[in-house]
Formats: sequence, structure tokens, C-alpha cells
Amino acid sequence: DTEVTQTPKHLVMGMTNKKSLKCEQHMGHRAMYWYKQKAKKPPELMFVYSYEKLSINESVPSRFSPECPNSSLLNLHLHALQPEDSALYLCASSQVGGNNYGYTFGSGTRLTVV
Amino acid sequence: QKEVEQDPGPLSVPEGAIVSLNCTYSNSAFQYFMWYRQYSRKGPELLMYTYSSGNKEDGRFTAQVDKSSKYISLFIRDSQPSDSATYLCAMSKSGGSNYKLTFGKGTLLTVNP
Repeated sequence: DTEVTQTPKHLVMGMTNKKSLKCEQHMGHRAMYWYKQKAKKPPELMFVYSYEKLSINESVPSRFSPECPNSSLLNLHLHALQPEDSALYLCASSQVGGNNYGYTFGSGTRLTVV
Repeated sequence: QKEVEQDPGPLSVPEGAIVSLNCTYSNSAFQYFMWYRQYSRKGPELLMYTYSSGNKEDGRFTAQVDKSSKYISLFIRDSQPSDSATYLCAMSKSGGSNYKLTFGKGTLLTVNP
């Protein structure tokens, strides 16, 4: 089992809905990430939190709103999404500073916007 | 020129074969090199991590980094059907405040029994 837990595993939402994706890790990592992955493509970085503060926003539309309530939790709030936002949303975590020992990814939330 | 180039395959081999997967990159600032395995509809799983040049072995997997050629490789010995997956190379610049992973496109590998 992965040490980064994402819920829900699947989500179908309408374009007027508001929903949230959740991510939790207990590895003591202080950097957490949201990635978006379309079919047959590599993951694309959306947001990075370092010590619970947003440090990178890769010009993501405002209909995606990240939140990091504490060092173990990361949320992604969704509102007024478009069908083209359908994708696998991946959460990841890593150590901060010094050597980069690689990122640990969750299993993802498969989002379908109808 | 893309920062990271990876042949997307697909690559099909018989069980027991030695598999070689490769990536090239253009940015000499990359210091950390990773290989991820991703099964269909799952998140990427970190297989190998290497800092700077050299070799690293873990069971049937060997990762090689040649910074002078800007070339990294993953070798899988005695390949098994369970190795069938997409393999993504990824790399990043120095630690500290740089958190961005740059991925290759991924190579789809099928190991046939």
C-alpha cells in the first residue's frame, strides 16, 4: 500500500458542482504536491506546498483551489470544472531541502467531469 | 528541444529478457534522477533514485546516470510479466527550494509470458 492516501479514488461531478479531493501522508514530509495526469501523458505539476505554505502555482485556473490545513493533509477544492479537466489527479510528498530522495505518489483520484 | 526525451515505445519483450529503458536530457542543472513505474490507472511508484553520476542496483533493477552524456538508463534483468507497466524517468535540480520534477513521456513495456 502507498504511504500517500488519496480519497476518493473515483469522482464524477457536474460542471456546476463543488467537490474536494483529499490527500494524507504520515511520513513527516514537509513538501506536498498536486499533479494532473491525462491518459498516456506524464504527470503535470499543478501546486507545491512547502511547510504548509503555497510555494508554486503552475498558472492553474482558479477553479482549482488548493489548501494545506496541516503538515499531513492536502486538499484540492474543485468548482465549475470543465469536461477537459477530467484526468487522474495525483498527490505526492517529499522531504524538503538537502538531498531530494524522490517523491512518493498516491494512487490518485480519477475525476470525470460531465 | 524538450528538456527530457524518452522513447514512448511501446516495447514488447519475452519473459526473462533484459530490458533497457533510456532518457536523454538537455539541462545540465539536473542533479537527481528517478525512475517510476506506473501500472494502468494507478499512481507512479518510485523504483530507483540516483544522485549525480554512477550506477545503482536494487534486485533485478539497475539505474545508470552518465552526466557527461546527459543520458540515464534503467535495466531490468530477468523481466517478468508483472513488470508490464509504463516506466517514467524523472529528474530535478538541486534540493533546497527547487521542487519541480521534470518527467519523460514514459515508455510502455509489455513482458510476454
